[in-house]
Amino acid sequence: SQKIEQNSEALNIQEGKTATLTCNYTNYSPAYLQWYRQDPGRGPVFLLLIRENEKEKRKERLKVTFDTTLKQSLFHITASQPADSATYLCAPSASLGGYNKLIFGAGTRLAVHP
Amino acid sequence: NAGVTQTPKFRVLKTGQSMTLLCAQDMNHEYMYWYRQDPGMGLRLIHYSVGEGTTAKGEVPDGYNVSRLKKQNFLLGLESAAPSQTSVYFCASRQGSHEQFFGPGTRLTVL
Repeated sequence: SQKIEQNSEALNIQEGKTATLTCNYTNYSPAYLQWYRQDPGRGPVFLLLIRENEKEKRKERLKVTFDTTLKQSLFHITASQPADSATYLCAPSASLGGYNKLIFGAGTRLAVHP
Repeated sequence: NAGVTQTPKFRVLKTGQSMTLLCAQDMNHEYMYWYRQDPGMGLRLIHYSVGEGTTAKGEVPDGYNVSRLKKQNFLLGLESAAPSQTSVYFCASRQGSHEQFFGPGTRLTVL
């Protein structure tokens, strides 16, 4: 069955450093992959989408890579700030009934310390 | 624009009781989704809709029913609640882009 793996342990980094989060998937080939941010007690918020034919996507301080050979996506936040502290969810697409759905990982909690 | 709203925000039920969760979106989106989120697990798709009057099963549909009588509303029903349905429920919607817009969630406890 389709499986998404994200680091279950929290990632603690110092303000100003680059945070790198990993998402691995098995048993299928997604057409695209999305990253979401979720703050405690709130719904996820979309950050970036990368397609299978794209190696890298950037948006301001965020960068996502997509390696379909390794079946892995990396999510980078450069010059991290305490306000970046949140849980980040990886969500590769999968086909369901002729439509694309998202399969969400459990998320990685990021804590950026001043 | 309110985006995606969910009611209620919190609810406590006893085993066997029924309830309906309401999701409303004011973005004229075609697609709507209901997910549940449990500790240590990713969001799991319960049911989804690709347009007004349509519904379809997701990954974990057992024990739930849905209706999409109006484009802006997507209702999730629990006919006979069980403790295993204790969870946080999220509704989401999307239009042409793949980005999903999520509501704030409903925290449900079944005793």
